[in-house]
Amino acid sequence: DAGVIQSPRHEVTEMGQEVTLRCKPISGHDYLFWYRQTMMRGLELLIYFNNNVPIDDSGMPEDRFSAKMPNASFSTLKIQPSEPRDSAVYFCASSFSRGNEQYFGPGTRLTVT
Amino acid sequence: SQQGEEDPQALSIQEGENATMNCSYKTSINNLQWYRQNSGRGLVHLILIRSNEREKHSGRLRVTLDTSKKSSSLLITASRAADTASYFCATDGAIQGAQKLVFGQGTRLTINP
Repeated sequence: DAGVIQSPRHEVTEMGQEVTLRCKPISGHDYLFWYRQTMMRGLELLIYFNNNVPIDDSGMPEDRFSAKMPNASFSTLKIQPSEPRDSAVYFCASSFSRGNEQYFGPGTRLTVT
Repeated sequence: SQQGEEDPQALSIQEGENATMNCSYKTSINNLQWYRQNSGRGLVHLILIRSNEREKHSGRLRVTLDTSKKSSSLLITASRAADTASYFCATDGAIQGAQKLVFGQGTRLTINP
């Protein structure tokens, strides 16, 4: 298996623009997580899905952030409009319900200018 | 608040020495995990220890868990330059649900050749 796949790896955008981050989890995994990592706040869980259904979105910072999982092999995290304080590395991870070890993607480094 | 907190925040040792990192947490857990993150990469799962276990080994890694003190330690023996990375503990928290993890701020380990 190729592992968790994220795209793009790097994104530079201007304040006010829409940003869409993409994730393909490991095949067969039924949980998908979106995290944000910054030096100041560390690794924060934004939202997670089970069988494509959002379970806990309490970590989503505000209404500018939204996440979808239309099928078992694809998820998106959208920021609209983006702000400079959204600059961070965004990770997607997946896990299998029989064990809760999480497998992380390589991350998307987002810079909002 | 963060469930897991690592100590020290940074550790620098000579190659061949042992490295010990500690993690404290606040609430009851089902299990505790340790992850490694190399610079610019996603987190990689290292080892999981269940709440009814006291010690676990995996290669050069040794993890202990003391649920009475709500603490865990990760020992890396005979360190190598390739062990240079940040190390995170993660707990699931019995009330959070088994799949949701909360990560500490991490210990940044540097192995000097």
